[in-house]
Amino acid sequence: AQSVTQLDSQVPVFEEAPVELRCNYSSSVSVYLFWYVQYPNQGLQLLLKYLSGSTLVKGINGFEAEFNKSQTSFHLRKPSVHISDTAEYFCAVRYGSNYKLTFGKGTLLTVNP
Amino acid sequence: DTAVSQTPKYLVTQMGNDKSIKCEQNLGHDTMYWYKQDSKKFLKIMFSYNNKELIINETVPNRFSPKSPDKAHLNLHINSLELGDSAVYFCASSLLVADTQYFGPGTRLTVL
Repeated sequence: AQSVTQLDSQVPVFEEAPVELRCNYSSSVSVYLFWYVQYPNQGLQLLLKYLSGSTLVKGINGFEAEFNKSQTSFHLRKPSVHISDTAEYFCAVRYGSNYKLTFGKGTLLTVNP
Repeated sequence: DTAVSQTPKYLVTQMGNDKSIKCEQNLGHDTMYWYKQDSKKFLKIMFSYNNKELIINETVPNRFSPKSPDKAHLNLHINSLELGDSAVYFCASSLLVADTQYFGPGTRLTVL
């Protein structure tokens, strides 16, 4: 079955430290990859997406992600986090021509002062 | 100005009741979706409509019935509410079927 794995359910970091949130997907067919952020008691906001082209994609709020086809990964990174980055981060994948968006279980990023 | 809006934001009701959640998008998108986010924050698609036609219908109890009166609206009606229906329900829309999805703020449903 097609699935999305976010290996870390929680990632605590200190302010201004770098962070990487990991995401792996299950299939080698063509994929379209997304990261969404959910701030407390809010809806999901699109951070960035990979549809085609350059494997390094840049998003909002200083985040970037790299599509690695051989490792079936799409890890999210930020070189220096802020307190305001504290939120739940979701990786999502659309497989080939499938209409559906499959979500990972989310990673709670907590940035401490 | 809100791109995808949902009403109500919070809904508290008793078991056995029937309730509806409304979603509207002003983005001119053709496709709309309903997702359920459970208490562990896991998001799962329930339904999707494209141009008022149902295109995704996951394994959801038939107590849940979506209705799309026009492309800009997708409502979710739930009959005979159960405790397990307590969750946050998100509406989303995309320009076309396979395009990037944009989410509403969610409706937190609590069934007592």
